[in-house]
Amino acid sequence: RKEVEQDPGPFNVPEGATVAFNCTYSNSASQSFFWYRQDCRKEPKLLMSVYSSGNEDGRFTAQLNRASQYISLLIRDSKLSDSATYLCVVAARTGGFKTIFGAGTRLFVKA
Amino acid sequence: GAVVSQHPSRVICKSGTSVKIECRSLDFQATTMFWYRQFPKQSLMLMATSNEGSKATYEQGVEKDKFLINHASLTLSTLTVTSAHPEDSSFYICSARGASGSADTQYFGPGTRLTVL
Repeated sequence: RKEVEQDPGPFNVPEGATVAFNCTYSNSASQSFFWYRQDCRKEPKLLMSVYSSGNEDGRFTAQLNRASQYISLLIRDSKLSDSATYLCVVAARTGGFKTIFGAGTRLFVKA
Repeated sequence: GAVVSQHPSRVICKSGTSVKIECRSLDFQATTMFWYRQFPKQSLMLMATSNEGSKATYEQGVEKDKFLINHASLTLSTLTVTSAHPEDSSFYICSARGASGSADTQYFGPGTRLTVL
């Protein structure tokens, strides 16, 4: 089983749609959680950190369920510019700091 | 957010040559830098973790004698691909940790696209 698993997609949605991405992780000692966005042939960029209380940044909402070892990202009112690959990232400090990336979920937003 | 630069952004070399890639944290001191490799349509794969002033920790399957990492200062890490072969062609990305804000956040360089002929 992969340490961080994501639905690879692709998700094809129309502009204005709401889309949700899910991610599960296997290391119960994981301490930090993030969503990154990666555009084609570019480096990943931090989208938002994920907290147990849930957090929102404009049209983006991230949630963490530690009991289920599950992370989600919700994008409301999708824009064409949201088209990218979204990476779920989990960090743990066991035996040194280590970050594990999910394989990413591809999103295509169409007019 | 914090800024990480990488140089060169693109390199094409002949098989058997060595290529050095630089990763710099421009506005913060990076206690730890990471080197990743990404093949087309695949996820980022961590190659090694580099702490300033100490030897890098390589992931399983990554040859330390082929991918030489030097982290000489808190703002600079280098990756040297020695005797490069076509199968080393990939997108190499560094990231740095230790910026202000969440210490667990990693900031990525823009990547170096290596093509070995």
